[in-house]
Amino acid sequence: DVKVTQSSRYLVKRTGEKVFLECVQDMDHENMFWYRQDPGLGLRLIYFSYDVKMKEKGDIPEGYSVSREKKERFSLILESASTNQTSMYLCATQSRTREGLETQYFGPGTRLLVL
Amino acid sequence: GQNIDQPTEMTATEGAIVQINCTYQTSGFNGLFWYQQHAGEAPTFLSYNVLDGLEEKGRFSSFLSRSKGYSYLLLKELQMKDSASYLCAVYDSNYQLIWGAGTKLIIKP
Repeated sequence: DVKVTQSSRYLVKRTGEKVFLECVQDMDHENMFWYRQDPGLGLRLIYFSYDVKMKEKGDIPEGYSVSREKKERFSLILESASTNQTSMYLCATQSRTREGLETQYFGPGTRLLVL
Repeated sequence: GQNIDQPTEMTATEGAIVQINCTYQTSGFNGLFWYQQHAGEAPTFLSYNVLDGLEEKGRFSSFLSRSKGYSYLLLKELQMKDSASYLCAVYDSNYQLIWGAGTKLIIKP
């Protein structure tokens, strides 16, 4: 079974703080993703990575950065948290096969509240 | 722009059948996923359709018509544990996954 873990289930931070959200997977998947999920808006892609040290902007990268120093670990960084970054953050992984791309597997999510 | 539409909320009765529709307009198509998400939890994979037709998997079935940009998820013999949100997602021509906002399904006894 694919296992994707996220560093925290719930997090409360203050405006202006630097926030680190970490995602670790144990399936040797090449691709990793960070999404945020807000009511009525569905999943929105923040950043993704197809390989170590590689990162690509998603649909809403502003206010975020990422780091992928090791294949199994993908970190999301909020340089200076703001109240509009209060959300559920979901990490996902995906393997590449000769047939194409496989389904994405999600971590349990981190519910972040910025005060 | 790219768009996926699904109803916001549906209500059904335990033991009944419910159909959740999804229509999409995307730049290209490389497959459609359905995910289930219980409140406060992560989405989990239900089904994947890339060719037209019906895929059956136990109580759940998923249908795709690429010419109509349309899919549905059919849930039979509904159980209380099926109360969840159901997310439709499409791979576009660049293999970017485009997500719908999800349909919240409420099951009543």
